[in-house]
Amino acid sequence: NAGVTQTPKFRILKIGQSMTLQCAQDMNHNYMYWYRQDPGMGLKLIYYSVGAGITDKGEVPNGYNVSRSTTEDFPLRLELAAPSQTSVYFCASSKTSYEQYFGPGTRLTVT
Amino acid sequence: RKEVEQDPGPFNVPEGATVAFNCTYSNSASQSFFWYRQDCRKEPKLLMSVYSSGNEDGRFTAQLNRASQYISLLIRDSKLSDSATYLCVVITMEYGNKLVFGAGTILRVKS
Repeated sequence: NAGVTQTPKFRILKIGQSMTLQCAQDMNHNYMYWYRQDPGMGLKLIYYSVGAGITDKGEVPNGYNVSRSTTEDFPLRLELAAPSQTSVYFCASSKTSYEQYFGPGTRLTVT
Repeated sequence: RKEVEQDPGPFNVPEGATVAFNCTYSNSASQSFFWYRQDCRKEPKLLMSVYSSGNEDGRFTAQLNRASQYISLLIRDSKLSDSATYLCVVITMEYGNKLVFGAGTILRVKS
């Protein structure tokens, strides 16, 4: 099993550009999550999904969108990048709502 | 008040030392508790769950005090490889049983 994979690993965006962060898991987990981690801060939940076709907002959803068309994939879309979105983004999945398995992260810089 | 608060450290300890981290949580309805470990520039990984009766895993002991809303992690006989950030994590019913992360406590073990 590859576990949770994320692409790209690094990305630099200009203000106003858009991009999609990819996340995939091969563990047949129903639950998937997107977090952002800013320096010195805890991980903040952006969006989550409890199964294909079902998504919901987390604590900090503004400026982001998600979709969950399959169990395996949970892409995160940034429509109009802003400097405040400079962060490390982690995708995670879990079989139940308890132990979560994280991907390696995407480091995004918006300038 | 933050939902989960931790002393950010850093805790600088020599090899072989015993070190303890504390964490407090504000939501009395929180139901599950964990310690995650995050190495520098890596993803968080589950270290251990925390139960009311306390639990031990090798050199690591976790305790929960529901009355005081307090969680602790004790590391005995510290190794260089224990150097990492330790994240206190609490689950509440909100947001699909979301994990709420503390900002983490940095541990540096020196030879």
